[in-house]
Amino acid sequence: AQSVTQLGSHVSVSEGALVLLRCNYSSSVPPYLFWYVQYPNQGLQLLLKYTTGATLVKGINGFEAEFKKSETSFHLTKPSAHMSDAAEYFCALLSGNQGGKLIFGQGTELSVKP
Amino acid sequence: GAVVSQHPSWVICKSGTSVKIECRSLDFQATTMFWYRQFPKQSLMLMATSNEGSKATYEQGVEKDKFLINHASLTLSTLTVTSAHPEDSSFYICSAIADRSYNEQFFGPGTRLTVL
Repeated sequence: AQSVTQLGSHVSVSEGALVLLRCNYSSSVPPYLFWYVQYPNQGLQLLLKYTTGATLVKGINGFEAEFKKSETSFHLTKPSAHMSDAAEYFCALLSGNQGGKLIFGQGTELSVKP
Repeated sequence: GAVVSQHPSWVICKSGTSVKIECRSLDFQATTMFWYRQFPKQSLMLMATSNEGSKATYEQGVEKDKFLINHASLTLSTLTVTSAHPEDSSFYICSAIADRSYNEQFFGPGTRLTVL
């Protein structure tokens, strides 16, 4: 069965500090992985995605993620946090055999302290 | 980029009434749309998959007669919450897939439903 696990429901960093949000997946087929951001009372915005090819993926707003097959991980990082990065972040896996369905992690709330 | 809209953005209704939420793909044709429900501080829960011209496929535990989905065209899907009750209050989000980008869902801004 396919699944996504986000370690840490809440992460707090200081402004300017490194952001690291963890995501591990389980999949019997080569995974397509996504990171989304959600601001309060809004829909989801795609930050970045991994399908095939380069394992280091760069996204919007300075975020990047590295696909590590050996560790079944797809952690999201940003070198320097901004106050505007405070939001909910979701890691998702495209279901390999269910018509485009996404399997979401539980979400990680990122707080940024001044 | 691909844009998905939802209408209304928020709605308050009395218990027992029905509410319709629209999801539109504005600049692409969506062969498949998804409807999600999200409770506060929780992840998205997939309710159903909507394919243009065919019946929706509901996830286990989702009442088909309660949550009516119609995907009448390649740019419009609707979710009708019938005989709404306070426990149906939630944030409803739709997303859409276009053939040209099968591996990416484009999300709408969500609809906040409050049932009094």
